[in-house]
Amino acid sequence: DAKTTQPPSMDCAEGRAANLPCNHSTISGNEYVYWYRQIHSQGPQYIIHGLKNNETNEMASLIITEDRKSSTLILPHATLRDTAVYYCIVRGDNNAGNMLTFGGGTRLMVKP
Amino acid sequence: DAGVTQSPTHLIKTRGQQVTLRCSPKSGHDTVSWYQQALGQGPQFIFQYYEEEERQRGNFPDRFSGHQFPNYSSELNVNALLLGDSALYLCASSHHYEQYFGPGTRLTVT
Repeated sequence: DAKTTQPPSMDCAEGRAANLPCNHSTISGNEYVYWYRQIHSQGPQYIIHGLKNNETNEMASLIITEDRKSSTLILPHATLRDTAVYYCIVRGDNNAGNMLTFGGGTRLMVKP
Repeated sequence: DAGVTQSPTHLIKTRGQQVTLRCSPKSGHDTVSWYQQALGQGPQFIFQYYEEEERQRGNFPDRFSGHQFPNYSSELNVNALLLGDSALYLCASSHHYEQYFGPGTRLTVT
């Protein structure tokens, strides 16, 4: 699976959009981009995933560049409860059977 | 739906001892994966079970073993515990693309 690079930490004001970047320049054509987050002392939580088109669900939006070398997770109206570590993961198959390779993630701090 | 459950929540063991951690998957999920998360790091994949067989394995020694039962629940066993085995052990269950994680078991080895 391709390696991902994320900033170690970011701050965001409550109520504003949080934009979390991820670089995955070695991504292959059949690899998906997944985002998980981990709130302190809890297990990771799935947020969203995509292949090449932009995706949106009730939690967030995922914007993938046309060359697929980078992506951005957008939390449109961040709340204090969105404070967590966010992991960008590239996975080789859209199959739950494949393992997830976590990097260091981005620690997002939402401030009042 | 109870989601993924793990037991125990916390555990303290001594070096050299053996430990068994348990995981019950989300209803309808047939695949269980185990991860180890050291303090301040991302989770690291240990292995995955499907149809009671180990299907994938990460870079962990043979001291780490597992089992999956016919009801899809799973156990993680660690023998000859080392101080470095102290971590949060996460179980994740899946059926399609999304893996659901449990709250984890915090293992402390003294």
